[in-house]
Amino acid sequence: TQLLEQSPQFLSIQEGENLTVYCNSSSVFSSLQWYRQEPGEGPVLLVTVVTGGEVKKLKRLTFQFGDARKDSSLHITAAQPGDTGLYLCAGAQGGADGLTFGKGTHLIIQP
Amino acid sequence: NAGVTQTPKFRVLKTGQSMTLLCAQDMNHEYMYWYRQDPGMGLRLIHYSVGEGTTAKGEVPDGYNVSRLKKQNFLLGLESAAPSQTSVYFCASKLPGWEQYFGPGTRLTVT
Repeated sequence: TQLLEQSPQFLSIQEGENLTVYCNSSSVFSSLQWYRQEPGEGPVLLVTVVTGGEVKKLKRLTFQFGDARKDSSLHITAAQPGDTGLYLCAGAQGGADGLTFGKGTHLIIQP
Repeated sequence: NAGVTQTPKFRVLKTGQSMTLLCAQDMNHEYMYWYRQDPGMGLRLIHYSVGEGTTAKGEVPDGYNVSRLKKQNFLLGLESAAPSQTSVYFCASKLPGWEQYFGPGTRLTVT
């Protein structure tokens, strides 16, 4: 069974601070996706990274895919209360197979 | 476009009862998926389908059956519900090579 380990599980910081969330695996994935989920809703895709070493930026969010395509990180600059939510990483092997999800990081940004 | 919709949103069952969860998508996606999300466990794949009339098992298929009689619908059935099946169920769909889109979820409680 392929596993994706996310850390930290919980993170509570003040508005304006920076943070990094990690997603690590012993398996290689063809792509890795980051989702954000709010209470009572389904996961919403933030970004997909495909190439080893790839870096993608989405406003204050920076996503990185490890060179070996086994790990990824999400960095948020100047966090805002609207960033509060559950952040999930998910690995894809390609084809029609479903995603392998990490357990998620619960992020709370306090005003 | 409504995207991915799920029916019902909430349901309470007694042990041994049966029910069917309906997932519908209007994006003409080939692939459809059923996941369950439990506290501290992330999302886990139950069953998936690569096209009308086809289904395949995921990571946690026991106690569930699925059918894909029409391209736009994917049904998840519980023949004899157990308390261990208390969970939030998410449906997702995608085109080959593209990202998955998730529905809003069905919260099921089995007493």
